[in-house]
Amino acid sequence: DTGVSQNPRHKITKRGQNVTFRCDPISEHNRLYWYRQTLGQGPEFLTYFQNEAQLEKSRLLSDRFSAERPKGSFSTLEIQRTEQGDSAMYLCASSIPGQGVRGYTFGSGTRLTVV
Amino acid sequence: DAKTTQPPSMDCAEGRAANLPCNHSTISGNEYVYWYRQIHSQGPQYIIHGLKNNETNEMASLIITEDRKSSTLILPHATLRDTAVYYCIVRVTTDSWGKLQFGAGTQVVVTP
Repeated sequence: DTGVSQNPRHKITKRGQNVTFRCDPISEHNRLYWYRQTLGQGPEFLTYFQNEAQLEKSRLLSDRFSAERPKGSFSTLEIQRTEQGDSAMYLCASSIPGQGVRGYTFGSGTRLTVV
Repeated sequence: DAKTTQPPSMDCAEGRAANLPCNHSTISGNEYVYWYRQIHSQGPQYIIHGLKNNETNEMASLIITEDRKSSTLILPHATLRDTAVYYCIVRVTTDSWGKLQFGAGTQVVVTP
């Protein structure tokens, strides 16, 4: 078990460009979460999936953001027309009911810098 | 989920106990107190949780006041690797599903 894997670890992009991040959860975890973390703040929930179904989206997830989990395994988070305010750490987590709170596992995140 | 209040930062000497306070005065009877920590450039990591009794595990101890309006996370012998941001969260379920609502946390710096 290699934990939750996120790629890339760092991304620098120019304002207006599209970016896509990938998250590979722990293999048997059917729930997958995306969070955003800006400097000096705790992570903020964006959205979560149970298998391939996106069950909840935060109001933080604007129209420029889209998340998918097409086969219930890995997930992608795309940001279109990036803005400087999108600069943040994007964290992915996965979990499976019945494993208790220790089963809720975060990845190390993708740090996005929009210049 | 109830909100929590934590000091923004605190320093601790290596080898000494670190006592991290958290206020959760609006906690409901069915809400648990959770602690996570986030080491630089990593995702948050679960430390410990409790409902009303004090709890201890290999990482830390959690002391919850009798009225449950506040709690203290104790790192008994702080090491340099304990330098991190520590988050106190309250939430209803103990199962590993659902979103977590983090505040700004407490930045703990352990010094030699």
